[in-house]
Amino acid sequence: GEDVEQSLFLSVREGDSSVINCTYTDSSSTYLYWYKQEPGAGLQLLTYIFSNMDMKQDQRLTVLLNKKDKHLSLRIADTQTGDSAIYFCAERDYSSASKIIFGSGTRLSIRP
Amino acid sequence: SQTIHQWPATLVQPVGSPLSLECTVEGTSNPNLYWYRQAAGRGLQLLFYSVGIGQISSEVPQNLSASRPQDRQFILSSKKLLLSDSGFYLCAGGGVTDTQYFGPGTRLTVL
Repeated sequence: GEDVEQSLFLSVREGDSSVINCTYTDSSSTYLYWYKQEPGAGLQLLTYIFSNMDMKQDQRLTVLLNKKDKHLSLRIADTQTGDSAIYFCAERDYSSASKIIFGSGTRLSIRP
Repeated sequence: SQTIHQWPATLVQPVGSPLSLECTVEGTSNPNLYWYRQAAGRGLQLLFYSVGIGQISSEVPQNLSASRPQDRQFILSSKKLLLSDSGFYLCAGGGVTDTQYFGPGTRLTVL
């Protein structure tokens, strides 16, 4: 079945760039997403990319998609303490019109 | 854009008691609706999803059930809670690009 994998933890220094990586298995995915979850809160959609795109940039966020390797990354430039959160990668399950498959999340911590 | 409302925000229930969590959606009609559970420090587990009134798909066998009595209302229920039902329950609604917008969540503790 479909699977989305992420590393569990990432620690970066404030001001550096953070790169969170994700791999997925469904080659027919149409949309891929990045969500952010702050402690005790729901998930907030950060950005999404359509599968015919290689890159999408939105202010400090850059999403790169390598469809051949089924690899998605989220780069956060100039990482701030407010970026501390869990980041979820997700893909739309093409076999089901309604489901989105989430990774287990990457906890990003910022050190001074 | 749509807004997802959930209540209550926190709930403490004894083992064996019933459960009813409600989710309502604003700003869209005929959304796809989803219930997820997130155990502490873990990812999301899809429990149920619904593509329309009265249409429920269950992803994981368990003692929970879901109902969709109205287009913008999604209810998660249990007749008798287990300790293992503790977790953070998130409701989500599907958008135009099938992005999912999440509610604030309900933290359920079963004692």
